[in-house]
Amino acid sequence: AQRVTQPEKLLSVFKGAPVELKCNYSYSGSPELFWYVQYSRQRLQLLLRHISRESIKGFTADLNKGETSFHLKKPFAQEEDSAMYYCALRKGGTSYGKLTFGQGTILTVHP
Amino acid sequence: GAGVSQSPRYKVAKRGQDVALRCDPISGHVSLFWYQQALGQGPEFLTYFQNEAQLDKSGLPSDRFFAERPEGSVSTLKIQRTQQEDSAVYLCASSSPRGTSLSSYEQYFGPGTRLTVT
Repeated sequence: AQRVTQPEKLLSVFKGAPVELKCNYSYSGSPELFWYVQYSRQRLQLLLRHISRESIKGFTADLNKGETSFHLKKPFAQEEDSAMYYCALRKGGTSYGKLTFGQGTILTVHP
Repeated sequence: GAGVSQSPRYKVAKRGQDVALRCDPISGHVSLFWYQQALGQGPEFLTYFQNEAQLDKSGLPSDRFFAERPEGSVSTLKIQRTQQEDSAVYLCASSSPRGTSLSSYEQYFGPGTRLTVT
């Protein structure tokens, strides 16, 4: 069975500092990886997906199949980045897209 | 346009009561998912509908949990004889506009229903 691990429950950085939220996964096939974000009092929303290779709000994430990781990075954190972040996996090649989530990391960016 | 809506937003039930949680997906979305999120945890998959067909219910924790989507739109998650361990936020998500590939679209989440069983 697939599994997603986010080793840090809490992460605090100062504004302008680099930030990296870690995500490791276990899955024997070819997965699709996602980062979801939940800002205070808002609903869960997609931040980015690995197949798009895009940068959203300055965040990037690279799928490393050798290390089975999909870490989320931003070179200069902003206060508005403070939120709960979830890494999620979807089995590749499935006809529908149920997600397996990690436990989440609460990111706090201090002024 | 309107996103996914869920009702009620909060529900307090006494142990042993039955509850029904409603999800209104985005209009025209074929796929509908239910997830359970316990305190301090990530969402966990419960069940999946493609239109009115329940194609995957592997995540339902017991036979006290039942979900339906009779007309392929609104869905209801019912929990019978609630237990304290059922306390969680129940999230609904929809995706896949009709005529598109089922797996290629993002899931849009509702605000969730917070169920507290006392």
